Amino acid sequence: QKEVEQNSGPLSVPEGAIASLNCTYSDRVSQSFFWYRQYSGKSPELIMSIYSNGDKEDGRFTAQLNKASQYVSLLIRDSQPSDSATYLCAVNRGWGAQKLVFGQGTRLTINP
Amino acid sequence: DAGVIQSPRHEVTEMGQEVTLRCKPISGHDYLFWYRQTMMRGLELLIYFNNNVPIDDSGMPEDRFSAKMPNASFSTLKIQPSEPRDSAVYFCASSLALGWGGTSSNEQFFGPGTRLTVL
Repeated sequence: QKEVEQNSGPLSVPEGAIASLNCTYSDRVSQSFFWYRQYSGKSPELIMSIYSNGDKEDGRFTAQLNKASQYVSLLIRDSQPSDSATYLCAVNRGWGAQKLVFGQGTRLTINP
Repeated sequence: DAGVIQSPRHEVTEMGQEVTLRCKPISGHDYLFWYRQTMMRGLELLIYFNNNVPIDDSGMPEDRFSAKMPNASFSTLKIQPSEPRDSAVYFCASSLALGWGGTSSNEQFFGPGTRLTVL
């Protein structure tokens, strides 16, 4: 079992709809969770971080964390063509730990 | 701030040649990371430094790979000799220790990457 797993997609969503991206992790001691967005040919950039169970909202993005189920998700509301990218889930082991383990990424396409 | 700077942006070399990738982290950041990204394996951490000291090099694939950080503003990743399977995009990233400078997350800032092709 991979330490961080994501559905590789591609995930295709019509413009204006909600895109839902999922990630599971295997190490129960993981404390910090991140979503990075990577446009084709570019470097990853952080869009959300979450540390506590529940939801965290930032504009059109909502991160959801369920530590009991070892599951983290990212919802993108009112999807725009500019949201088309690969989304990488990343996990680190403990508070303050610096080493991140990345999932394979989910390729998202928003269709106009 | 200029962000993380990497050079060269593209490198094409022949098998057996030495390759040196360079990175300048964001000023003031005390962590530096080297990653490799391929379609097959995704984004993998190779090694990371804290205050110029290597902390974890368990991701370095073999002895052909070496990394150094002689000072807080410069790091190199060297492959000698290079092989076609080393072809990938190599990213450097830097971060500030959690809690310092008002940070609420140990966000890693990535450089633009070096696309390496070994023929």
